[in-house]
Amino acid sequence: DQQVKQNSPSLSVQEGRISILNCDYTNSMFDYFLWYKKYPAEGPTFLISISSIKDKNEDGRFTVFLNKSAKHLSLHIVPSQPGDSAVYFCAASGVFNKFYFGSGTKLNVKP
Amino acid sequence: GAGVSQSPSNKVTEKGKDVELRCDPISGHTALYWYRQRLGQGLEFLIYFQGNSAPDKSGLPSDRFSAERTGESVSTLTIQRTQQEDSAVYLCASSLFRLRGGRRTEAFFGQGTRLTVV
Repeated sequence: DQQVKQNSPSLSVQEGRISILNCDYTNSMFDYFLWYKKYPAEGPTFLISISSIKDKNEDGRFTVFLNKSAKHLSLHIVPSQPGDSAVYFCAASGVFNKFYFGSGTKLNVKP
Repeated sequence: GAGVSQSPSNKVTEKGKDVELRCDPISGHTALYWYRQRLGQGLEFLIYFQGNSAPDKSGLPSDRFSAERTGESVSTLTIQRTQQEDSAVYLCASSLFRLRGGRRTEAFFGQGTRLTVV
């Protein structure tokens, strides 16, 4: 039973445009949400997080939005750059800080 | 070390052989995870260790897979009688339970072990 889902396995975006990656979760006890980025032949690296007390967190070109009522979060990258091409994983955790990961979305930013 | 360390980085083995993969978590991290990623697939949860609690083994795909962790340090993932479908990148991650004051923190991943069964 997958508690964190990324329904789009891939996304292609033109350089300079906005990339929007989506993630849904089922467990209402999750209160901390993260996005990771993974390049080939490397381990995933932490990108940005958001606590459930917020609905938005911004870090440079990256913004994460949280909609608790819809159990949905999204990652916006603007403007997208070719170096952003990678697999993006969302993750969620609850009070015990055990992480649940989505299956990933492969982003391709075309020059 | 400064980060999560996995060894070997690459492993090629013959079908039917046993393999052992090692993970050194970040010092002080009580939680440790094993995942695998098969070619073109997403992250697949395998097993979770948290302190001295019984591990969550719900993701292990068969009884050929087992994992151990010594206290809050090294973990080994063992695959017996390897099959070609075991070929994947095996990723280890570790995290703190919680930071002081209840602040949350992320999980940190190693570089992975690429296992190829021929």
